[in-house]
Amino acid sequence: KQEVTQIPAALSVPEGENLVLNCSFTDSAIYNLQWFRQDPGKGLTSLLLIQSSQREQTSGRLNASLDKSSGRSTLYIAASQPGDSATYLCAVEVNDMRFGAGTRLTVKP
Amino acid sequence: DAEITQSPRHKITETGRQVTLACHQTWNHNNMFWYRQDLGHGLRLIHYSYGVHDTNKGEVSDGYSVSRSNTEDLPLTLESAASSQTSVYFCASSAGGTDTQYFGPGTRLTVL
Repeated sequence: KQEVTQIPAALSVPEGENLVLNCSFTDSAIYNLQWFRQDPGKGLTSLLLIQSSQREQTSGRLNASLDKSSGRSTLYIAASQPGDSATYLCAVEVNDMRFGAGTRLTVKP
Repeated sequence: DAEITQSPRHKITETGRQVTLACHQTWNHNNMFWYRQDLGHGLRLIHYSYGVHDTNKGEVSDGYSVSRSNTEDLPLTLESAASSQTSVYFCASSAGGTDTQYFGPGTRLTVL
């Protein structure tokens, strides 16, 4: 059974810092991996999708990497801003999508 | 603009009652999904559908059912609500293949 783990569960940083969120999964036979953002009381918004054949994806200040062999992905956020405060979830897709529990990020002004 | 909506946004019900949560999407997506989100568990898949009249069980399907009579809607029914089904429920849709899933705003269900 695919297990997805995100560490840390919560993270607080001052504005302007670069930061890394981690995601690990137990079964490397995945179709893709996605990073989502969730604001309080809202649904999920897809940030980046990495296909199994890809190593990374970039969108603005966000960069996500994928290492299937080690079962790891990282989400790098450059020059963090208070508006980045949210919960970030990673999900891997095999036959269905399995989510981690998320990392709650707070960026302090 | 295309969107995915859920109703109601909040629902309080009693143990043993039947409850139906609505999900409607205007993306014309073939694939639709229902998840529940609980503290410490992330999102877990309940049921999903790849097209009209197609339904499949997910990781936590016991006590839930769905039916797909058209492309736009996938209602989720709790046959006999239990306190363990208190959760936030999210509906999602996708075009399939490598497309991402688009999520609705969620329904917070409380079973007393």
